[in-house]
Amino acid sequence: AQSVTQLDSQVPVFEEAPVELRCNYSSSVSVYLFWYVQYPNQGLQLLLKYLSGSTLVKGINGFEAEFNKSQTSFHLRKPSVHISDTAEYFCAVSDKGGSQGNLIFGKGTKLSVKP
Amino acid sequence: EAGVAQSPRYKIIEKRQSVAFWCNPISGHATLYWYQQILGQGPKLLIQFQNNGVVDDSQLPKDRFSAERLKGVDSTLKIQPAKLEDSAVYLCASSLQGGFSSPLHFGNGTRLTVT
Repeated sequence: AQSVTQLDSQVPVFEEAPVELRCNYSSSVSVYLFWYVQYPNQGLQLLLKYLSGSTLVKGINGFEAEFNKSQTSFHLRKPSVHISDTAEYFCAVSDKGGSQGNLIFGKGTKLSVKP
Repeated sequence: EAGVAQSPRYKIIEKRQSVAFWCNPISGHATLYWYQQILGQGPKLLIQFQNNGVVDDSQLPKDRFSAERLKGVDSTLKIQPAKLEDSAVYLCASSLQGGFSSPLHFGNGTRLTVT
């Protein structure tokens, strides 16, 4: 069975500063990895995903994440954040033999961008 | 394209009452999911449909929860009777198919409060 740990429940940061949201996973099999964003009172939206290939994955809104198999991590980064990036971010994992219904989500990290 | 529509947006009921949620997925999306998101947690899959058939309902508390997807389009999720611990946001999502090449599209959710 897979599990996901998002190490920070809240991350406050000033506008235009860089940010890293940390995600570690546990699995005995090969996995797919995802980051979703949830803006206030909205559903989740896919930011980026790692299925195979390059371990550096670029997503929407200037976000990127790096898959590190040895560290079992998939940290999300953005070099310069905007007020509009204020949201909750969820890391998710699934084994390669499953379907999207098998996604296991972390508890989320609330990113708060201050002017 | 129109997104995933859910109604109602908010619902407050007393314990032991019943409640129903409605979801209209994106047109043409064969796969439909219902998730439960408890405050401070990531979404947890309740049930997955492929067209009008159930793919996975292993985490659905079947003594009180039921779901159907008549004609493979709209879906309803029902809770009867509700318990205090059912207070959560209920998210509906859809995708073209269940595989990882088709991203999940989430609705804005229904926030249920059980008093």
